Amino acid sequence: EVQLVESGRGLVLPGGSLRLSCTASGFTFSSYAMSWVRQAPGKGLEWISGIRGSGDDAFYADSVKGRFTISRDNSKNTLYLQVNNLRVDDTAVYFCARIAAVGYFDHWGQGTLVTVSS
Amino acid sequence: DIQMTQSPSTLSASVGDRVTITCRASQSIGPWVAWYQQKPGKAPKVLIYKASTLESGVPSRFSGSESGSEFTLTISSLQPDDSASYYCQHYNSYPFSFGQGTKLEI
Repeated sequence: EVQLVESGRGLVLPGGSLRLSCTASGFTFSSYAMSWVRQAPGKGLEWISGIRGSGDDAFYADSVKGRFTISRDNSKNTLYLQVNNLRVDDTAVYFCARIAAVGYFDHWGQGTLVTVSS
Repeated sequence: DIQMTQSPSTLSASVGDRVTITCRASQSIGPWVAWYQQKPGKAPKVLIYKASTLESGVPSRFSGSESGSEFTLTISSLQPDDSASYYCQHYNSYPFSFGQGTKLEI
């Protein structure tokens, strides 16, 4: 059974940093591209970053480019999102998602809440 | 970047009704659209991919279609369990993007 479990939730001051993790099981992690998607309270879904299975290529939404860094450790079956210079409007539930071979998100984690507030 | 314009933002219907939700892409994206259902406090769940392919295990009352840059999710006979928010998403190329969402009340 495919499982994705996020961790790293927390309350952070504006300008602060956090590292989110997503631990995968039940599939060959290195064979799949992965993404992070976030959802601000009461709002819709926002794709923010993606990374190929090899980790060689990473992609970002303009809203997070230069502040967030996606990475992965295929030996640990873990996806990461380093979030720096956090702003109040980064407050959201952050989901990791597996990208199916044909490109859509076929499995999702349960999400982890990041709150940015003074 | 490709924008997905979804409508309506809210929809109220009754059990047994047929409803449609529409997404329009800002440029040609082929069939590379998925539809997701999300219930409060839960992760999204894929319903449809490649515009019209039903994900395994999803009830057949859900269907998707494509006409040029317009994509439609149809629920043929609403059930109480269909009360949720629905999102379209393109995956033609990075950056991916979602529609604004439709909240469906039964």
